Order: sequence, then structure tokens, then C-alpha cells
Amino acid sequence: QSALTQPPSASGSPGQSVTISCTGTSSDVGGYNYVSWYQQHPGKGPKLIISEVSKRPSGVPERFSACKSGNTASLTVSGLQSDDEADYFCSSYAGNNIYVFGTGTKVTVL
Amino acid sequence: EVQLVESGGDLVKPGGSLRLSCAASGFSVNDAWMNWVRQIPGVGLEWVGLIKSKGNGGTIDYGAPVKGRFIISRDDSKNMLYLQMNSLKTEDTAVYYCTTELSGALDMWGQGTMVTVSS
Repeated sequence: QSALTQPPSASGSPGQSVTISCTGTSSDVGGYNYVSWYQQHPGKGPKLIISEVSKRPSGVPERFSACKSGNTASLTVSGLQSDDEADYFCSSYAGNNIYVFGTGTKVTVL
Repeated sequence: EVQLVESGGDLVKPGGSLRLSCAASGFSVNDAWMNWVRQIPGVGLEWVGLIKSKGNGGTIDYGAPVKGRFIISRDDSKNMLYLQMNSLKTEDTAVYYCTTELSGALDMWGQGTMVTVSS
């Protein structure tokens, strides 16, 4: 199972928006509505910020939104804040109890 | 408070074995779907395997890179999750996380434990 493809980096100024893509195949992203997104700050474990394509867990700000079209999922962070500077990973169910992760995107707040 | 704490990471030689532990608090591992995920330096996250809740049959599945070498188990009486790693390779070097799973998402993560495989 190949990793999902994400851009290595993305950036924006405070208050702006940044969108990260996550491209897979019809066997993972395109085949199931089990795409999730994780935020990871340096030295910390990942934190779930989006589940089931677009659902925000309790406590995650509305500034984080996500969607999916075909084999590509996207995460948008609006109203960028300094604390949003982190690594972001997507993940998708790929059938047969297997999960695949994205390559990761480093978001920089300029 | 719901919490996961991994331990057992170490430096081990290629071909060696190591057992990682994950202590859960605030919930019962018996009732949860539990996963192991690793983060390989400079590469990214990789799913290692999962064990379903007892109510879902306790099915265990593994990612292709570790299948046949790693074994996931749990001790309900101690509320612990384990990852037995055998025939370790240099490419198994990573930070290992245990996580809970809900609706296809890994909703709670520990802080991770570092495993280094090197001669």
C-alpha cells in the first residue's frame, strides 16, 4: 500500500488560509469516507483534528475544515494563527483493516 | 482522564527482539479498537497494526512491513496493550505510538517510545 501524497510544505501569513491536499487512489481515499487529518507539533504525538472526511472532534476550532473529491482530500486552515505552525498528516482506510498515511505537510506561519 | 503511555523503547541490534507496552487509563482496552503506529524519522507515519475490541471478536491485523515479525496483544486485567517485535531490522527504527480508534480515525495518541535498531 503506497503512502498518500501531500505537498511537503505550505505557508501563509497570520489571518490567511492555507489548503493542504492529500491524494490517494480509488482503493483508499476515493473508496471510503474514512479520511482523517492529524496535527503534530515538534516533539509531540499527533492530534486528531478531522475524522470521517470532514467531522471535527470536540475542541477543534471551526477554522479547521476538510472535504473530499474523488481520490483527493483537502484540509483548509482558515484565520492562520502562530500555533497552527505544525506538521499535518492525512490518513485513509484502505480496506481489509489496513490504514495508510500521507507523506505529511509542514505548515509555516509567516 | 483518558491517557495512553508507551514504554519499552530501546536500542537493539538487528535480528533482536523488543516488547513495547502501552498503559491505558480512563477507559478499558478490552472495549476499544487499539492500533500501533510508527513514525520513521524523515519519512512519516506508518500503520503497524490493530487489535479490535473483544466485542468485535478481537481480530488482529498487521501492516505488510511487519507481518510475520510483530505480534499485538493485550492484557485486560492490567489494561495494557503490547507490541512484541521480533527479527528487528534497521528500517524498524522509529517512534512507536499506541492509539485508540473510533470510526476509522485514531482519536487518542500516546507520547511515543523510541526504538532504534542498529549494530
